[in-house]
Amino acid sequence: QQQVKQSPQSLIVQKGGISIINCAYENTAFDYFPWYQQFPGKGPALLIAIRPDVSEKKEGRFTISFNKSAKQFSLHIMDSQPGDSATYFCAASIVRQKVTFGTGTKLQVIP
Amino acid sequence: ETGVTQSPTHLIKTRGQQVTLRCSSQSGHNTVSWYQQALGQGPQFIFQYYREEENGRGNFPPRFSGLQFPNYSSELNVNALELDDSALYLCASSSPQGAKVTEAFFGQGTRLTVV
Repeated sequence: QQQVKQSPQSLIVQKGGISIINCAYENTAFDYFPWYQQFPGKGPALLIAIRPDVSEKKEGRFTISFNKSAKQFSLHIMDSQPGDSATYFCAASIVRQKVTFGTGTKLQVIP
Repeated sequence: ETGVTQSPTHLIKTRGQQVTLRCSSQSGHNTVSWYQQALGQGPQFIFQYYREEENGRGNFPPRFSGLQFPNYSSELNVNALELDDSALYLCASSSPQGAKVTEAFFGQGTRLTVV
């Protein structure tokens, strides 16, 4: 059962542009929503995370927007750079355990 | 780089064989989770170990088993390997401490190929 749905599957953005990745979840028991960045041959690395009592969280160029009533959340990457080219996974967990991942978005930032 | 280390980094096995993958958790972390990541997919939760006991399991058959040792390192064992077991196997460590839980940090993974 796919509990976290992620779109788009792939994304090409011009350098300096905004990258937007969307996710939706089903289980209302989820209480923690991290985003992971994964480079080829590496394990996922935590990028930014949010709890459902907050509607937005910003860290540098990365912002999570969270809509609890719609059970949706999204990642915005401002001023996208070629070094941001990676696969991004949204995820959800209960008490930060047993992370349920989305299917991933392969981001390519072109110069 | 996280303090989670996995070995080996790559492995090739024949269908029907058994394999053991190893993980050393980050210092101070007493919980280890294992994930399977098929090519082009998100990681899927296999199971979690907390203080040497299994503490939750995903939708994986019993031929996937694990151990956690007193130093919190862990092993993932897979018996009767099938071609579909080919994947990147990820270990993540964290440390629940009452209501406060640390982030889960992932290792670089073991790439298993079953031929």
